[in-house]
Amino acid sequence: AQSVTQPDIHITVSEGASLELRCNYSYGATPYLFWYVQSPGQGLQLLLKYFSGDTLVQGIKGFEAEFKRSQSSFNLRKPSVHWSDAAEYVCAVGAENTDKLIFGTGTRLQVFP
Amino acid sequence: DVKVTQSSRYLVKRTGEKVFLECVQDMDHENMFWYRQDPGLGLRLIYFSYDVKMKEKGDIPEGYSVSREKKERFSLILESASTNQTSMYLCASSSDNQPQHFGDGTRLSIL
Repeated sequence: AQSVTQPDIHITVSEGASLELRCNYSYGATPYLFWYVQSPGQGLQLLLKYFSGDTLVQGIKGFEAEFKRSQSSFNLRKPSVHWSDAAEYVCAVGAENTDKLIFGTGTRLQVFP
Repeated sequence: DVKVTQSSRYLVKRTGEKVFLECVQDMDHENMFWYRQDPGLGLRLIYFSYDVKMKEKGDIPEGYSVSREKKERFSLILESASTNQTSMYLCASSSDNQPQHFGDGTRLSIL
């Protein structure tokens, strides 16, 4: 069965530090991959997506993610974190299309000044 | 930009009440979705709709129904609200094979 794992429930970093949030999925073929960000009390905002092609994708707010087929991973990265990046980050996977998505349980990012 | 609007940000209802959550999108998307979000469980799909008057059950449809009479509007109905339906409800819309766009959510409390 298709599944998505975000191993880190909570991550704390200092402002200006680099960031990597992990996302692993279970699916035989190449899935549709997404990262969303959710501020407190808000809905989900799309950061970036991967459908095919170049495995390194750029998103909004200076984020990027890399699809690694051999590791079944789609990790989110940012070279220098800002205090405004504090939020919940959710990875999502679609097996055959973008309609039936499986969502990870999210990683809460806390940023210290 | 896609705009998905949920009618209420916060809602408090009593057990046994019939509850309506409304969602409107302005991008002529074919697909609309209702999710609930609970701590430690992530987003779970309740119902989705591919077209007007079309609906399909998601992973947790029990206790819910939906209505899509117009393309831009998708309503979630709790026929008889129960305390275990206290949650954050998120609506989303998309066109075919494009990312889903989400509303700001409705935090529903059933007392």
